[in-house]
Amino acid sequence: RKEVEQDPGPFNVPEGATVAFNCTYSNSASQSFFWYRQDCRKEPKLLMSVYSSGNEDGRFTAQLNRASQYISLLIRDSKLSDSATYLCVVNPYNTDKLIFGTGTRLQVFP
Amino acid sequence: GAVVSQHPSRVICKSGTSVKIECRSLDFQATTMFWYRQFPKQSLMLMATSNEGSKATYEQGVEKDKFLINHASLTLSTLTVTSAHPEDSSFYICSASGSAGGDTDTQYFGPGTRLTVL
Repeated sequence: RKEVEQDPGPFNVPEGATVAFNCTYSNSASQSFFWYRQDCRKEPKLLMSVYSSGNEDGRFTAQLNRASQYISLLIRDSKLSDSATYLCVVNPYNTDKLIFGTGTRLQVFP
Repeated sequence: GAVVSQHPSRVICKSGTSVKIECRSLDFQATTMFWYRQFPKQSLMLMATSNEGSKATYEQGVEKDKFLINHASLTLSTLTVTSAHPEDSSFYICSASGSAGGDTDTQYFGPGTRLTVL
């Protein structure tokens, strides 16, 4: 089983739609969780950290379910510029290592 | 703040040659730098972790004699791919963590280096 698993997509949605991605992780002792965004042939950029109580940043909402070991990202009112690959990232060992999922590709169309 | 640069951004080389990639933290001191590799349609895979002034810690399956890492200062780490072969063609990305903005845990990523070995 992979340490971090994501549906690769692609998710093709129209502008203005709401879309949600899920991610599961295998290590129940994991402490830190993140969503990164990666554009084609570019480096990943931190989108948001994920906190136990859930957190929101504008149109983006992240949630953590420790019991089921999954993390979600909700994007409301999708924009064309949201088209990218969204990477679920976990720090599984409470060290400085990050484990990346393979990413979920989002394509927003007009 | 918290800018990480990489050089070169793209390199094409012949099989058997060695390639050096530089990773620099421009506005903070990076006590730890990380080197990742990403093949097409795959996730970033951590290759090694390096702390300034000490030997790098390599992940399982990564040959330390092939991928030489030097972290001689708090702002510079280098990755040298020795005797490169076509299967080494990949996107190499570094990240750095340290004293940026008082947050010592966040990793800041460089823009990556695309290596193509002919």
